[in-house]
Amino acid sequence: EVQLVESGGGLVQPGGSLRLSCAASGFTVSGNYMTWARQAPGKGLEWVSVIYSDNSGGSTYYADSVRGRFTISRDNSKNTLYLQMSSLRAEDTAVYYCAKGDAEYWGQGTLVTVSS
Amino acid sequence: DIQMTQSPSAMSASVGDRVTITCRASQDISNYLAWFQQKPGKVPKRLIYAASRLQSGVPSRFSGSGSGTEFTLTISSLQPEDFATYYCLQHNSYPLAFGGGTKVEIK
Repeated sequence: EVQLVESGGGLVQPGGSLRLSCAASGFTVSGNYMTWARQAPGKGLEWVSVIYSDNSGGSTYYADSVRGRFTISRDNSKNTLYLQMSSLRAEDTAVYYCAKGDAEYWGQGTLVTVSS
Repeated sequence: DIQMTQSPSAMSASVGDRVTITCRASQDISNYLAWFQQKPGKVPKRLIYAASRLQSGVPSRFSGSGSGTEFTLTISSLQPEDFATYYCLQHNSYPLAFGGGTKVEIK
């Protein structure tokens, strides 16, 4: 059974950093492309980033709104996906979801709040 | 970047109604489009992929059509559990983009 469990969210001050984790089970993160998406309170879904599988070269892509501040990565030994977030802004406040492939499977999300 | 324009942004409908939601892409995305349903406080659920393929376990009253720049999600007979917000997602090219969402409310 495919499961995705995010963690690492919380309250952080503007300009701060946070690392989100997404622990996967039932499949390997190395063999699949993995996505991060987010949803600000009361707003719609926003795609954030993707990392391709090892076989596809591990390329990464980012939304314009986070490029240069966020970094997607994975630890194959832990079967875990990460999103390193830095220079955080109030507008980054959202529930962050990880998803497998073409978003067929989603985690339950983790809330990031950027506020002083 | 490809923009996804979803319409309507909200609608009221009754149980049994036929509901149609449209997504328009700013450029050709072939059939790289998925539809999602999200209920309040819940995780999005994929309903349709490759524009018209029904996700396993999703009721057959949901269907998707279109290719290129215009896509439609149709609910043939709205059920009480279908009141939710629906999103399209283009995954033809990066950055990927969701539509703005359509909230389907009870009339």
